[in-house]
Amino acid sequence: AQSVSQHNHHVILSEAASLELGCNYSYGGTVNLFWYVQYPGQHLQLLLKYFSGDPLVKGIKGFEAEFIKSKFSFNLRKPSVQWSDTAEYFCAVNAYSGAGSYQLTFGKGTKLSVIP
Amino acid sequence: EAGVAQSPRYKIIEKRQSVAFWCNPISGHATLYWYQQILGQGPKLLIQFQNNGVVDDSQLPKDRFSAERLKGVDSTLKIQPAKLEDSAVYLCASSYGQGRGNQPQHFGDGTRLSIL
Repeated sequence: AQSVSQHNHHVILSEAASLELGCNYSYGGTVNLFWYVQYPGQHLQLLLKYFSGDPLVKGIKGFEAEFIKSKFSFNLRKPSVQWSDTAEYFCAVNAYSGAGSYQLTFGKGTKLSVIP
Repeated sequence: EAGVAQSPRYKIIEKRQSVAFWCNPISGHATLYWYQQILGQGPKLLIQFQNNGVVDDSQLPKDRFSAERLKGVDSTLKIQPAKLEDSAVYLCASSYGQGRGNQPQHFGDGTRLSIL
């Protein structure tokens, strides 16, 4: 079974600082990778996804993530954060679990607080 | 497009009571998922439907949890009897299909369940 590890539980940054959130997964086969975001009081929303091709993917609101297959990593980055980026960020891996189904496995999440 | 609808938003019950949650997915989405999110953790898949058939229920505690999606549209998740450790947010998600695991899932607002 696959597992996902997010390195930081809570990150506090000042506005305009750069952001990098770590995500590592364990699974030996082909994976589909996602970052979801949950803003305060809102539902989980897709931030970006990687299936194949260019390992550097761009998402909404200036976020990007890089898939490094050799390191089993899919780290999320943003060059300059804003107060509105305050949210909880979840890394997730979708992998084949057998019997014709795929299972989405989430990390524990990283809470980002941006100080104005 | 309308999002995934869930009700109720909050529920408080005593242990050993029963409770039911309802979900209406995005129109046209064949695949429906129920997740359990315990405080401080990422969502964990409980059950996955493709139309009205169960695709994966390997992580569903079947002695107390049940779910159905009779007409392939909306779904209910039931807990009977509830235990203290069932306190969590129950999330419903839907996707157009499974594809090759590359279909993003769309999440509802969730039902926050508190067991006294």
